[in-house]
Amino acid sequence: RKEVEQDPGPFNVPEGATVAFNCTYSNSASQSFFWYRQDCRKEPKLLMSVYSSGNEDGRFTAQLNRASQYISLLIRDSKLSDSATYLCVVGTYGGATNKLIFGTGTLLAVQP
Amino acid sequence: DVKVTQSSRYLVKRTGEKVFLECVQDMDHENMFWYRQDPGLGLRLIYFSYDVKMKEKGDIPEGYSVSREKKERFSLILESASTNQTSMYLCASSFFINRDGDTEAFFGQGTRLTVV
Repeated sequence: RKEVEQDPGPFNVPEGATVAFNCTYSNSASQSFFWYRQDCRKEPKLLMSVYSSGNEDGRFTAQLNRASQYISLLIRDSKLSDSATYLCVVGTYGGATNKLIFGTGTLLAVQP
Repeated sequence: DVKVTQSSRYLVKRTGEKVFLECVQDMDHENMFWYRQDPGLGLRLIYFSYDVKMKEKGDIPEGYSVSREKKERFSLILESASTNQTSMYLCASSFFINRDGDTEAFFGQGTRLTVV
């Protein structure tokens, strides 16, 4: 079983739609959680960290459910510029286990 | 401006060659990572390092080794390149991940390696 799992998509949505991505992780000792965005032929960049209380950044809302070990990302009012691959990332801390594991990514294509 | 620099954008090597991929960061980060990215498989962790001279295997270390002699530099070595190592290689660095969790990883621009 992969340590971090995501639906690869693609998600094809019209402009203005709301779209949600989910991600599950297997290591219950994981401490930190993130969503990264990767544009075609570019390196990944941090979109937002994910906190237990949930957090929002404009049209983007991230949620963490530790009991069920899943993370979600909600994008409201989708824009053409939101088209990208969204990567779920899980971090564990402490000495030799200080690492970041990426999901395979979910491809979003926003259509005009 | 934060910077992670990989030595090459594109490389073509022959099967059996020894290949060095270099990564340098200027942010004084403790952590450095090497990933490879392949279609349908996403980013897979090859090796990581949380301190100078410290290295840990990731999920797919076979056929690779790493070196971290200085804090700012993390090298990935393909001992004897094979065609199945053709891939995009991404280096990343971050501060030490702590319980608070707010640790951003910064990536280099990637090296597209082709082994023929």
